[in-house]
Amino acid sequence: DSGVTQTPKHLITATGQRVTLRCSPRSGDLSVYWYQQSLDQGLQFLIQYYNGEERAKGNILERFSAQQFPDLHSELNLSSLELGDSALYFCASRGTSGRSGELFFGEGSRLTVL
Amino acid sequence: GDSVTQMEGPVTLSEEAFLTINCTYTATGYPSLFWYVQYPGEGLQLLLKATKADDKGSNKGFEATYRKETTSFHLEKGSVQVSDSAVYFCALKWKNSGGSNYKLTFGKGTLLTVNP
Repeated sequence: DSGVTQTPKHLITATGQRVTLRCSPRSGDLSVYWYQQSLDQGLQFLIQYYNGEERAKGNILERFSAQQFPDLHSELNLSSLELGDSALYFCASRGTSGRSGELFFGEGSRLTVL
Repeated sequence: GDSVTQMEGPVTLSEEAFLTINCTYTATGYPSLFWYVQYPGEGLQLLLKATKADDKGSNKGFEATYRKETTSFHLEKGSVQVSDSAVYFCALKWKNSGGSNYKLTFGKGTLLTVNP
């Protein structure tokens, strides 16, 4: 158990819909990262938050947005969903001290867009 | 920008065979390098890492050596087991990227299947 919790584990929805994925980082971790994993693109970095502020952006579509709340949990919002958005979405957190270089990943949220 | 290229899979081996998964990188400066493993149905977890040239990371019988001259970090294991079946990801972190501005760049992953 990595200590990172993601919900829901599975989600099936239709094109054009909007979904929200939730992530709770390890206790005390300030950074949250979102990654998208698909068969053709591999593991793609979407966005990073640190203590409530956006720190880095990767290949995140304009239809997607995220935020980190004061209690440090994060949400990834995906709107106007398309078939190609079907993927496994991972959240990861990293501590502020020690074990430099290690991200702790949740088990992922599998999104299927029909 | 920084990038990681790892060998295309899938790789299928028999138990006790020797494993090599190639990984090369492109980066400015001297990044730290990592191998992550993803077992079926789970998230990624750190397998091993190396933070400077000529460092060797090792864990669970796996090894990888940071080769600056060839910009490589190949993963090796002398004798694989069925339980090693997983997806393996090579990743890099730019050396001066730390604190609140830290990012890992991953390769596309290599699926390893070990048959009994």
